[in-house]
Amino acid sequence: EVKLLESGGGLVQPGGSLRLSCAASGFSFSSYAMSWVRQAPGKGLQWVSSINSSGGTTYLADSVKGRFTISRDNSKNTLFLQLNSLRADDTAVYYCAKGGYYARYEYWGQGTLVTVSS
Amino acid sequence: QSALTQPPSASGSRGQSVTISCTGSTSDVGGYNYVSWFQQHPGKAPRLMIYEVNKRPSGVPDRFSGSKSGSTASLTVSGLQAEDEADYYCSSYAGSNSVLFGGGTKLTVL
Repeated sequence: EVKLLESGGGLVQPGGSLRLSCAASGFSFSSYAMSWVRQAPGKGLQWVSSINSSGGTTYLADSVKGRFTISRDNSKNTLFLQLNSLRADDTAVYYCAKGGYYARYEYWGQGTLVTVSS
Repeated sequence: QSALTQPPSASGSRGQSVTISCTGSTSDVGGYNYVSWFQQHPGKAPRLMIYEVNKRPSGVPDRFSGSKSGSTASLTVSGLQAEDEADYYCSSYAGSNSVLFGGGTKLTVL
């Protein structure tokens, strides 16, 4: 059974940083691209970032370029999202999803809430 | 890049059919056959219902179908059931290794 479990969310002040993790199991993690998608409270879905299976190529939405970094550790079946220079409009539930920028996101985690507020 | 355009709401009676549209441009929906549709119930993670315009993942009822004409994709739900009431989001590959989502449509089953 495929499982994705996010962690690392929380309350952070504007300008602060957080590192989100997504532990994967039930599939050959190193064979698949992975992505992060976020959802602000009461709002729609927004693609944030994708990474290829090896971790050698990453893609970021314009709204987070220069502030967020996606990475992965295939030896630990874990996906990461480093969030820096956080702003109030980054407040959202962050989901990890199996798949890349073609958005065949058949598996999702339960999400982790990031709240940016002073 | 602007979000894909979806109607904010749609509705239909049990047993009827409803179609939700998703309008983009030649740079996204119209340019690629990588349109997906997601269903989301309150407080839950999204669920993939359609990918690559008209393909259904295993376990998705065949009451759900997808299509595309030009820069507009559509999701049709036939034989509406109470459990189909949810938010629905489209997405499309938008070139330059990026993804666009629609703003979402709240489907009400009357």
